[in-house]
Amino acid sequence: RKEVEQDPGPFNVPEGATVAFNCTYSNSASQSFFWYRQDCRKEPKLLMSVYSSGNEDGRFTAQLNRASQYISLLIRDSKLSDSATYLCVVKRGGNTGKLIFGQGTTLQVKP
Amino acid sequence: EPEVTQTPSHQVTQMGQEVILRCVPISNHLYFYWYRQILGQKVEFLVSFYNNEISEKSEIFDDQFSVERPDGSNFTLKIRSTKLEDSAMYFCASKVRGGTEAFFGQGTRLTVV
Repeated sequence: RKEVEQDPGPFNVPEGATVAFNCTYSNSASQSFFWYRQDCRKEPKLLMSVYSSGNEDGRFTAQLNRASQYISLLIRDSKLSDSATYLCVVKRGGNTGKLIFGQGTTLQVKP
Repeated sequence: EPEVTQTPSHQVTQMGQEVILRCVPISNHLYFYWYRQILGQKVEFLVSFYNNEISEKSEIFDDQFSVERPDGSNFTLKIRSTKLEDSAMYFCASKVRGGTEAFFGQGTRLTVV
């Protein structure tokens, strides 16, 4: 079983739509959780950290359910510029802990 | 804005040759990482480095790989004898002590022919 699993998509949505991505992780020792964004052939960039209490950054809302080992990302009012691959990432092992990436979910926002 | 820089952006090498990929982490960062991404696949952890030694390495990081911080600014990844399956994008990342965010360089695309 993969340590971090995501639906690869692609998700094709019109501008203005709301879209949700889900992710599950298998290792209960995972300590920190993130959503990264990756544009084609570019480096991953941190979109937001994910907390159990849920957190919001503008049009983006992330949620963590530790009991179910489930992470979500909601994007409201999608823009063309949101088109990218969204990577679910978990971290274990304290301060030097490696990042474990999911396969990524591809989003294509169309006019 | 400070950034992680990697050179070269693209390297083509013949199978069996040695390559060195270079990274300059953000200056006050103390934790350094190499990741790779084979085309169409997920980003995979290779190695983490702290206090001038490897703190963790993956199964991918076998005896053909080594890392070094030769001069206090550069952080290098060496592949001694490249194989076709080493073709990938290699990302360097760095992080401050106590920080949660790892900052990634723009990557080096390695093509082994």
